[in-house]
Amino acid sequence: DVKVTQSSRYLVKRTGEKVFLECVQDMDHENMFWYRQDPGLGLRLIYFSYDVKMKEKGDIPEGYSVSREKKERFSLILESASTNQTSMYLCASSLSGTSETNTGELFFGEGSRLTVL
Amino acid sequence: GENVEQHPSTLSVQEGDSAVIKCTYSDSASNYFPWYKQELGKRPQLIIDIRSNVGEKKDQRIAVTLNKTAKHFSLHITETQPEDSAVYFCAASSFTSYDKVIFGPGTSLSVIP
Repeated sequence: DVKVTQSSRYLVKRTGEKVFLECVQDMDHENMFWYRQDPGLGLRLIYFSYDVKMKEKGDIPEGYSVSREKKERFSLILESASTNQTSMYLCASSLSGTSETNTGELFFGEGSRLTVL
Repeated sequence: GENVEQHPSTLSVQEGDSAVIKCTYSDSASNYFPWYKQELGKRPQLIIDIRSNVGEKKDQRIAVTLNKTAKHFSLHITETQPEDSAVYFCAASSFTSYDKVIFGPGTSLSVIP
């Protein structure tokens, strides 16, 4: 079974703090993603990475950065947390490319609920 | 970029009835359309998907239809059961080497026993 592990399930931080959210996958997937989930807004893509040291902005990258130094690990960084970044953050991974056997399925972690006071 | 809309945002049905969720997408290059189910407090999981070379796909009580001309696709759940209660997300993607997946806002389905 694919396992995507997010290091922290619940975090409480103060405005202005630097926040690191860590995600590790064990299936040698090329693609990794960070989504933010808010009620009524669904899953919004913050950043994704298709290879080590490669990253692409998603739909809402402002206020966030990412790091992918190793294939299995994808980190989301909030340089200076703000209250409007209070949310559930979901990491996901998938195989790259398309084939009859690769469905492009996203495998999600359990999520990290961040509260910024 | 791609934009995915989804309706309705909430849906209540009696157990045994059918449920239909509809989505539209904007990017004509999209060619892969998955559906994810998220039960309360759990992670989203893929339940069915369809590629652009197919008009319909079925898996037991769930089916998905795709109209590429109109850029819309739908999820159909028949004989609903209480365990179908969840939030359902449609999504769209084009198979580049990046496989970027964009989600709709979700539909909260409640199946009333």
